[in-house]
Amino acid sequence: EDQVTQSPEALRLQEGESSSLNCSYTVSGLRGLFWYRQDPGKGPEFLFTLYSAGEEKEKERLKATLTKKESFLHITAPKPEDSATYLCAVQYVNFGNEKLTFGTGTRLTIIP
Amino acid sequence: GAVVSQHPSWVICKSGTSVKIECRSLDFQATTMFWYRQFPKQSLMLMATSNEGSKATYEQGVEKDKFLINHASLTLSTLTVTSAHPEDSSFYICSAPTWSSYNEQFFGPGTRLTVL
Repeated sequence: EDQVTQSPEALRLQEGESSSLNCSYTVSGLRGLFWYRQDPGKGPEFLFTLYSAGEEKEKERLKATLTKKESFLHITAPKPEDSATYLCAVQYVNFGNEKLTFGTGTRLTIIP
Repeated sequence: GAVVSQHPSWVICKSGTSVKIECRSLDFQATTMFWYRQFPKQSLMLMATSNEGSKATYEQGVEKDKFLINHASLTLSTLTVTSAHPEDSSFYICSAPTWSSYNEQFFGPGTRLTVL
């Protein structure tokens, strides 16, 4: 069964303490892997799209990487405003249909 | 980035009534829009794909007669929750891909539905 799994479920870091969030997937026919940030009570905000293994993208304190089985979202020297839930989603083809499946997210809390 | 809006942002209704939620793409046209449902501390679950000018396609387990979708124009899709019950209370979010980058979906701010 196609799956997207994120870990850890929750992560608390001190301000400035770097870490990584993981998104592992077991789908075939990958078209793209997406990272989103979601604040409470709001819709997801697009961060990155990765299409092929070895690809990397950066935005401010965030860097996303992709392998054939997983993606990492590295956060460097985080600030309290980086606190949010980070979602990954995998777009793939299933029986001829494009599908986008989300992981359950990682709730990131940055402590001042 | 592209902007997608939703209205209302929150709604409270009595059990048995119907509620309509609008999703608009403000600065681009979207022939396809997606409707998701998100329960507390859970991820987004795709409910249906809304197609402009044709019928929506629903995910397995989603009742098409309960969740009516209309995509009447290239910038507007509506989701109507008919005969709502407390178990329909959830956070409903729409998204739309842009022409310039089909794979990148932009999400609306969501609608919080509470059925009493």
